[in-house]
Amino acid sequence: QLQLVESGGGLVKPGGSLRLSCAASGFSFSDFYMTWIRQTPGKGLEWLSYISGSGSTLYYADSVKGRFTMSRDNAKYSVYLQMNSLSADDTGVYYCVRGDGYSGYDKFDLWGQGTLVTVSS
Amino acid sequence: DIQMTQSPPSLSASVGDSVTITCRASHRISSNLNWYQQRPGKAPNLLIYATSSLHSGVPSRFSGSGSGTDFTLTISSLQPDDFATYYCQQTYFTPYTFGQGTKVEIK
Repeated sequence: QLQLVESGGGLVKPGGSLRLSCAASGFSFSDFYMTWIRQTPGKGLEWLSYISGSGSTLYYADSVKGRFTMSRDNAKYSVYLQMNSLSADDTGVYYCVRGDGYSGYDKFDLWGQGTLVTVSS
Repeated sequence: DIQMTQSPPSLSASVGDSVTITCRASHRISSNLNWYQQRPGKAPNLLIYATSSLHSGVPSRFSGSGSGTDFTLTISSLQPDDFATYYCQQTYFTPYTFGQGTKVEIK
């Protein structure tokens, strides 16, 4: 079954850390790049990070650079987001999303159900 | 970062109506523009990529057009399932930014 399933969200105190996981199934995982996109009340949908199919290329938005680290384990069909130094601005729903650039245009065609991260004391 | 501005922020329409949503980019983005639909409590779903290419399984009543900085999403003959929020996204420059959304409500 073609799907992405996130886990690891929850309540964390400001300054704390959290690690999100995303399990993929139903497609050849290493053939696709993966991204994390979050949705917050303040900024709406925000594209956070990208990792290539091999894991050799990474990209981070300025808002999370230096605090978040994305990784993947192709043998486990999984992608991860390690989030450190969290603040209230990081509160939102985090989506694991498959990226497909094979048409020559990037598209995000498979989304997980989302996992809620709440940063609050 | 490229700013994406959608209009209107919301609209009311009836089943069977045709509606058009506009998305404007702060810089030229060629045809690198996607549209997504999001229903309450659910993840966004890809509708259209590369400005006008319909994603697999998306009904043909959805169509997209434009190039450069100005783009539109048209839904012809609105169906009950179409009442949702719609987002545009540019994929020309990283970070791939989204519009703020247009909520389509039932009149």
